[in-house]
Amino acid sequence: QAVVTQEPSLTVSPGGTVTLTCGSSTGAVTSGHWPYWFQQKPGQVPRTLIYDTTNKYSWTPARFSGSLLGGKAALTLSGAQPEDEADYYCWLSYMGLRVFGGGTKLTVL
Amino acid sequence: DVQLVESGGDLVQPGGSLRLSCAVSGFTFSDHYMDWVRQAPGKGLEWVGRIRNKERSYTTEYAASVKGRFTISRDDSKNSLYLQMNSLKTEDTAVYFCVRGHSNSSPGGYWGQGTLVTVSS
Repeated sequence: QAVVTQEPSLTVSPGGTVTLTCGSSTGAVTSGHWPYWFQQKPGQVPRTLIYDTTNKYSWTPARFSGSLLGGKAALTLSGAQPEDEADYYCWLSYMGLRVFGGGTKLTVL
Repeated sequence: DVQLVESGGDLVQPGGSLRLSCAVSGFTFSDHYMDWVRQAPGKGLEWVGRIRNKERSYTTEYAASVKGRFTISRDDSKNSLYLQMNSLKTEDTAVYFCVRGHSNSSPGGYWGQGTLVTVSS
């Protein structure tokens, strides 16, 4: 089974920019992995921010964007807010199977 | 509004069985693939499995950790998704979420509030 890798933790200053990445043990991540990004705050249900690499939902703050970067899926936060402190997970699709990354704990400090 | 409501979580002994349900509303359930995702206490998210729609013959996929023990089914007439869990292990203890998958015209990524399954003697 493929392994999906994320940075265990990242810190960003308020107003700053940070990029979280999502890599695959099988090689470069492509749009064919249909990357999703999720945000989870303590005690809350995960909320989906990005689907199919770049697409946002009506509730996705404009400061979040998804892309492919250097062979990985990427979630960029531009203009971090204190309320963005959370765990972030990606998942990738492998021929119908889905695999989550281990998550990135983002601190806004 | 899209709504997914899980039920059926409980305390069960190792080796036991449990059936979870997910009642949905606010979208055309029959068009969508559906997923189950779980989260053990203090841990990350783990995809459990998926069921496709009628167009794709209701085919299913499972994570290796549950394959052969868990079965996903659906009843489109009742707008309901199910997860039958057999031969439960202590490591199956988790909050189980149903998650709307995509259709031909709409994205997935809508979550229920989850239901807690505790496997313990």
